[in-house]
Amino acid sequence: DAGITQSPRHKVTETGTPVTLRCHQTENHRYMYWYRQDPGHGLRLIHYSYGVKDTDKGEVSDGYSVSRSKTEDFLLTLESATSSQTSVYFCAISEGPNTEAFFGQGTRLTVV
Amino acid sequence: AQSVSQHNHHVILSEAASLELGCNYSYGGTVNLFWYVQYPGQHLQLLLKYFSGDPLVKGIKGFEAEFIKSKFSFNLRKPSVQWSDTAEYFCAVIFHNYGQNFVFGPGTRLSVLP
Repeated sequence: DAGITQSPRHKVTETGTPVTLRCHQTENHRYMYWYRQDPGHGLRLIHYSYGVKDTDKGEVSDGYSVSRSKTEDFLLTLESATSSQTSVYFCAISEGPNTEAFFGQGTRLTVV
Repeated sequence: AQSVSQHNHHVILSEAASLELGCNYSYGGTVNLFWYVQYPGQHLQLLLKYFSGDPLVKGIKGFEAEFIKSKFSFNLRKPSVQWSDTAEYFCAVIFHNYGQNFVFGPGTRLSVLP
């Protein structure tokens, strides 16, 4: 398995609170992604990064922000958590824009 | 926006049956194609990929997929499934010249009965 670590693995938080999820890689891959997985929707891209400090929005970016200050770390922040953000969040990495992605173990987030 | 569709939401098979899962995508240009598998409670793992060349691609665990450009399809096949193949299967496409990010299909849940 690719060296991808997501933390925390599980989190329960209250509506309105900020939440930060961390993705750490040891593969030195340039591209990093945050997806959310919901039943019937597959995986939907939230944000992605193509280098340090280089990020862009994905399909479902509203209510989320990201930061990448180092190659190995990609943070996803829910600025004010809502119940609709209850989901499983996956981080992924890839060497280039058109290559296969490798996924982390996921973070199960519950917003109550 | 580009899209990926998967024909079946849930497929139920008996062990040793043959499997074919459909995947179609919306774009007629250059694409990279992938199948991922997600075993219960686990992360996505790459089964196989197609970038160019022979349209019949072989992957891990006895899976293969065929790219048919004229049909915009990339169907996954396995001649004889096992109980351990019970999982969710996702087709994913990178559409060149359209953001070059993965677009995933909604997934097909496969249940293999022992």
